[in-house]
Amino acid sequence: GENVEQHPSTLSVQEGDSAVIKCTYSDSASNYFPWYKQELGKGPQLIIDIRSNVGEKKDQRIAVTLNKTAKHFSLHITETQPEDSAVYFCAAQQAGTALIFGKGTTLSVSS
Amino acid sequence: EAEVAQSPRYKITEKSQAVAFWCDPISGHATLYWYRQILGQGPELLVQFQDESVVDDSQLPKDRFSAERLKGVDSTLKIQPAELGDSAMYLCASSLVVAGVYEQYFGPGTRLTVT
Repeated sequence: GENVEQHPSTLSVQEGDSAVIKCTYSDSASNYFPWYKQELGKGPQLIIDIRSNVGEKKDQRIAVTLNKTAKHFSLHITETQPEDSAVYFCAAQQAGTALIFGKGTTLSVSS
Repeated sequence: EAEVAQSPRYKITEKSQAVAFWCDPISGHATLYWYRQILGQGPELLVQFQDESVVDDSQLPKDRFSAERLKGVDSTLKIQPAELGDSAMYLCASSLVVAGVYEQYFGPGTRLTVT
């Protein structure tokens, strides 16, 4: 079955810096890669996603890249703000199945 | 903006007791999922419904867990009897198919503590 590895497990940056979180997946049949932000005591919130037929997607300060050959995908947050502090999860999915999540990255943005 | 509703938000129960969680998905979402999230880890699927039918319950501990979605709308997850190791966040998600992809939206979760 699918396995998703996520790094780093913790990331501390200064306000205004960029943050990058990387994930790898094992099953080439996966075709959908969402990223979720989870704040303490809340459910995961979908922040951006990418499909296997796209290499990069941007939404304001957030971007995601996908390398299908290497089975890598990454989340990039620019101009970080304190409110970006949260746990971020990557996930992979094959059509119609449940998401397989990474173990999460705790991002801390200090002002 | 439509959201997935879950109740209760918090539940404390003693081991060997029964506990039930409720989920109301976003209107029109045919697919519903129950995930369990242990502290410090990502969510893991317990059961997936398509309308009222179970699509995947391979990771559901069927000796103590049950789930139903009788009318294909809201859903209930039950644990009987609860064990200490069941303490976790129980998350419900629903999905809409967009260009062949199942975008999943999560509810706020139910934090279960078994004492």
